[in-house]
Amino acid sequence: SQQGEEDPQALSIQEGENATMNCSYKTSINNLQWYRQNSGRGLVHLILIRSNEREKHSGRLRVTLDTSKKSSSLLITASRAADTASYFCATDSLNNAGNMLTFGGGTRLMVKP
Amino acid sequence: DAGVIQSPRHEVTEMGQEVTLRCKPISGHNSLFWYRQTMMRGLELLIYFNNNVPIDDSGMPEDRFSAKMPNASFSTLKIQPSEPRDSAVYFCASSKGGTSGSTWDIQYFGAGTRLSVL
Repeated sequence: SQQGEEDPQALSIQEGENATMNCSYKTSINNLQWYRQNSGRGLVHLILIRSNEREKHSGRLRVTLDTSKKSSSLLITASRAADTASYFCATDSLNNAGNMLTFGGGTRLMVKP
Repeated sequence: DAGVIQSPRHEVTEMGQEVTLRCKPISGHNSLFWYRQTMMRGLELLIYFNNNVPIDDSGMPEDRFSAKMPNASFSTLKIQPSEPRDSAVYFCASSKGGTSGSTWDIQYFGAGTRLSVL
């Protein structure tokens, strides 16, 4: 089964609104990352949050991490049509002998102009 | 840097044919990953190399799949013989590698190879 599970699977909002996506995982982690995938493209790294951090910001992105609940959220503020994409969380694992990441199923975000 | 380069971008082949996908990782990166993405199964890790050595190939579906990394700048994923259920987008990604928990874990993806097996 997947380490990370995103919720919701799909989200449709109007331009200017905020978009919130959630990720749950199962095992203890060193860090959690969020990636974005535009249609027909590869995944692009957005932000990394370490297990000892609770919140991180990057431009219009805000990520939170709650290790006690094994969950993370990605907030995109003031969304734009160009934010339309799929968003994936990815976790490593404390038991991971290498640098492998486990990706969730993704949230498909549509931002309507 | 040009990023991770994959070729071909699209491949259409007939069932039973051999397919070879190619990847050039970012120079200086020590870790290389092959993924497969489908609507039904999402993004699956097939195999992971560190310093050109396969570390984990538990995701390789079956013996029809094989991967090699003869040097730090090149890797191949081969399917022989190919089957219609192998149709998917195959991604290669690389990372600096190193101590887990650092930004060296960030993976950089290629544009993918869309494989269609008829």
